[in-house]
Amino acid sequence: KQEVTQIPAALSVPEGENLVLNCSFTDSAIYNLQWFRQDPGKGLTSLLLIQSSQREQTSGRLNASLDKSSGRSTLYIAASQPGDSATYLCALNTDKLIFGTGTRLQVFP
Amino acid sequence: EAGVAQSPRYKIIEKRQSVAFWCNPISGHATLYWYQQILGQGPKLLIQFQNNGVVDDSQLPKDRFSAERLKGVDSTLKIQPAKLEDSAVYLCASSARQGRLVDTQYFGPGTRLTVL
Repeated sequence: KQEVTQIPAALSVPEGENLVLNCSFTDSAIYNLQWFRQDPGKGLTSLLLIQSSQREQTSGRLNASLDKSSGRSTLYIAASQPGDSATYLCALNTDKLIFGTGTRLQVFP
Repeated sequence: EAGVAQSPRYKIIEKRQSVAFWCNPISGHATLYWYQQILGQGPKLLIQFQNNGVVDDSQLPKDRFSAERLKGVDSTLKIQPAKLEDSAVYLCASSARQGRLVDTQYFGPGTRLTVL
């Protein structure tokens, strides 16, 4: 059974810091991995999608990496801003999306 | 392009009552998903439709939950009777292509259910 773990569960940082969110999984037989953002009272927004054959994807200040051999993915956020405050979820796509429990990020001015 | 619409946004009921949620996916999207997100956890897939057929309902508690997608567009999710542990946010999502696992899912804002 695929298990997805996200560390840390919560993170509070000052504005401007570079930070790394971690996602680990137990079964490397995946089609792709996605990182989502969830704001309070709103749905999920897809940030990055990494295909199984890829190592990383970048979008603006976000960079996500995938290492299937070690069962890990990281989301790197450069120069964090208060607007980045949200919960970040990773999800593995096997024949369905399997989500981690999320990292709640707060960036303070 | 309009996003995924859900209603109601909030619902409070007492245990053993019934409740229904409605979802309107992005126009033209063939695949529709219902997820349950309990506080502090990630979303869990309840049911997946492709057009108006069920692809996966392995995690749907069928003794109390039911869902339908008439005409392959809108969908409703029903709980009857509700239990305290059903308190959660119910998310609807849709994706464009049939059978394409790599396609991005677009999520609605969710319905927050509280069962007292």
